[in-house]
Amino acid sequence: AQSVSQHNHHVILSEAASLELGCNYSYGGTVNLFWYVQYPGQHLQLLLKYFSGDPLVKGIKGFEAEFIKSKFSFNLRKPSVQWSDTAEYFCAVNAGDNQGGKLIFGQGTELSVKP
Amino acid sequence: DAGITQSPRHKVTETGTPVTLRCHQTENHRYMYWYRQDPGHGLRLIHYSYGVKDTDKGEVSDGYSVSRSKTEDFLLTLESATSSQTSVYFCAIRGTGDVEAFFGQGTRLTVV
Repeated sequence: AQSVSQHNHHVILSEAASLELGCNYSYGGTVNLFWYVQYPGQHLQLLLKYFSGDPLVKGIKGFEAEFIKSKFSFNLRKPSVQWSDTAEYFCAVNAGDNQGGKLIFGQGTELSVKP
Repeated sequence: DAGITQSPRHKVTETGTPVTLRCHQTENHRYMYWYRQDPGHGLRLIHYSYGVKDTDKGEVSDGYSVSRSKTEDFLLTLESATSSQTSVYFCAIRGTGDVEAFFGQGTRLTVV
């Protein structure tokens, strides 16, 4: 069965600090990996995605993530956070179409950026 | 934005009553998902559909049923609402292949 684990439940940073949010998944087959962001009072929006190829993927707003297959990890990074990055971040794993297409999310990490 | 609409957006209901939430899409996407979002638990998958009349259970399916009689609509039914089902419910849609899911605006359900 698929599962996703996000290690940090709440992260507090000052502006310009670097960010790294951990995500590990459990699934034996080929997966697609995602990071979504939810700003206060809004629905989820896609930050970035990994399907295949270069394991370092770049997303919107300066975010990037690295897929390390041997560690079953897909950590999110940003070199310098801004106050506007305050939001909740979710890692997600999707089994391929020939495996049912299930889409599972982690518990989420709340990021608070202090101005 | 993807063509996905959830209704109602807000609902207050009494314990023991049946409740149906609707997710409607205009994208003709194959996959549709229902999640509930609760503090500390993230998004938990309730049920999902991989085609008309094809559905499967997620992590927290007890007390919920779904139906998908046509591509565009995915209904979530709480047979007999309980206070533990007070939550924000999100629907998502996804096409086939290497594509991401798109989310609706959510339905805030309160069971009193």
